[in-house]
Amino acid sequence: GENVEQHPSTLSVQEGDSAVIKCTYSDSASNYFPWYKQELGKGPQLIIDIRSNVGEKKDQRIAVTLNKTAKHFSLHITETQPEDSAVYFCADKSLNALWGKLQFGAGTQVVVTP
Amino acid sequence: GAVVSQHPSRVICKSGTSVKIECRSLDFQATTMFWYRQFPKKSLMLMATSNEGSKATYEQGVEKDKFLINHASLTLSTLTVTSAHPEDSSFYICSARDEFPGKETQYFGPGTRLLVL
Repeated sequence: GENVEQHPSTLSVQEGDSAVIKCTYSDSASNYFPWYKQELGKGPQLIIDIRSNVGEKKDQRIAVTLNKTAKHFSLHITETQPEDSAVYFCADKSLNALWGKLQFGAGTQVVVTP
Repeated sequence: GAVVSQHPSRVICKSGTSVKIECRSLDFQATTMFWYRQFPKKSLMLMATSNEGSKATYEQGVEKDKFLINHASLTLSTLTVTSAHPEDSSFYICSARDEFPGKETQYFGPGTRLLVL
C-alpha cells in the first residue's frame, strides 16, 4: 500500500543485454509484489510475482528480487528480445489493503533494439 | 495464467448516451473485481472496487452516479458510463482477484477503448 516508486521511466537496451527495473515501497505491511507487462493497446499481463517470505524468484529469463529491509524489489530480464519491448508495472499489496487493492508504480517503457 | 475477458474491446458512442462494459472471469470465481482507467502513457488509476452482491466502493473523486458498477455474479462485473461526454474517452480495464488460498492474485482483462464523440 501507500506509494510505490518505479525507476527508470524509460529503458533502452540492446537485444541480448539485461534489463533491470527497480521499485521502492513505503508500507512495511506490504507482503505481495507482482509485476505486469503491458503491450500497446492491451491489458496488463502478470509475468511474475513474489511474496514477502521469499527473497528471489525466477522464471526462465525473468527474475524478481525482494529486499524487505530496504523496502525495494527489482525485475531482472536477461537475454532481452524485441518481444520484451513493452511497459512494465510493479505493484505491491499491503496486509492492511482493503479488498486486496494493489498500488502501482508509474511504469517503465522498455525498448529492446535489435 | 487466468483469463479475464472484457466486452466490447472498443466502442464509439455519441455524447449523452450510456455505454456498458462487461468484465468476466472465465476460469475462476471472483468476489472482488476492480475497474481502472488509464490515460495515454500513464499508470493505472483505480476507479472502484466491485464486490459481488454488494455496492461498489469508489475511489475519491470518482462519481458513483456517473460510473455505475454492478457485480451480479461471481464471474461478471459491469461498468456503465452514463451520459458519456468526450472527457470520458479513455481506456478502461478491469481486473479480477483470484482469492484461492496461496493465489490471491489479480488478473487483468484486455481493456475497452471508449471514444465519445
